[in-house]
Amino acid sequence: QKEVEQDPGPLSVPEGAIVSLNCTYSNSAFQYFMWYRQYSRKGPELLMYTYSSGNKEDGRFTAQVDKSSKYISLFIRDSQPSDSATYLCASGNQFYFGTGTSLTVIP
Amino acid sequence: DAGVTQSPTHLIKTRGQHVTLRCSPISGHKSVSWYQQVLGQGPQFIFQYYEKEERGRGNFPDRFSARQFPNYSSELNVNALLLGDSALYLCASSRAPGQVFAGTGEQYFGPGTRLTVT
Repeated sequence: QKEVEQDPGPLSVPEGAIVSLNCTYSNSAFQYFMWYRQYSRKGPELLMYTYSSGNKEDGRFTAQVDKSSKYISLFIRDSQPSDSATYLCASGNQFYFGTGTSLTVIP
Repeated sequence: DAGVTQSPTHLIKTRGQHVTLRCSPISGHKSVSWYQQVLGQGPQFIFQYYEKEERGRGNFPDRFSARQFPNYSSELNVNALLLGDSALYLCASSRAPGQVFAGTGEQYFGPGTRLTVT
């Protein structure tokens, strides 16, 4: 079983839609969780991180962690074409990454 | 300020050859990590170095090795290349190993080196 699992998609939504990206993790010792965004032919860039359970909001982005179910989510409100990228969840000291979900926002 | 830089950008090698990839961290960052990202997959941790010492190693064969220099730049070496080594190799730097929320562990990634083994 992989440390972090993520639905690879791809996901295609119309502009303005709410996007929900999800991951699960297996190690209950994980305390912090990151979301990275990776554009084509670029390295990942840190989008948000959360510590332990709860929600964290940053503009149109909300990261959510449910430690009881080992479930992490990223919500994007009012999605824009510029949000089209691959979104990677990660956790653990050695930064275990999910597979990444490819998102396309159609104008 | 310059971000993390990696060289070369692209590389084509033949099976059995050796390759050296290079990474320069952000100024002031003392920790460098290496990741392998196969097409369609997330990055997979290979090594982490801090102050020239290995701090962590992922599940990769001994054909993979790395080192960090006094100026905190780093090299990743791969011997006896296999077709399966074809991937994007990413370098990430941080001020120090640690938790992201503490401010020291946040990693900044370079653009990567795309290695093709034929």
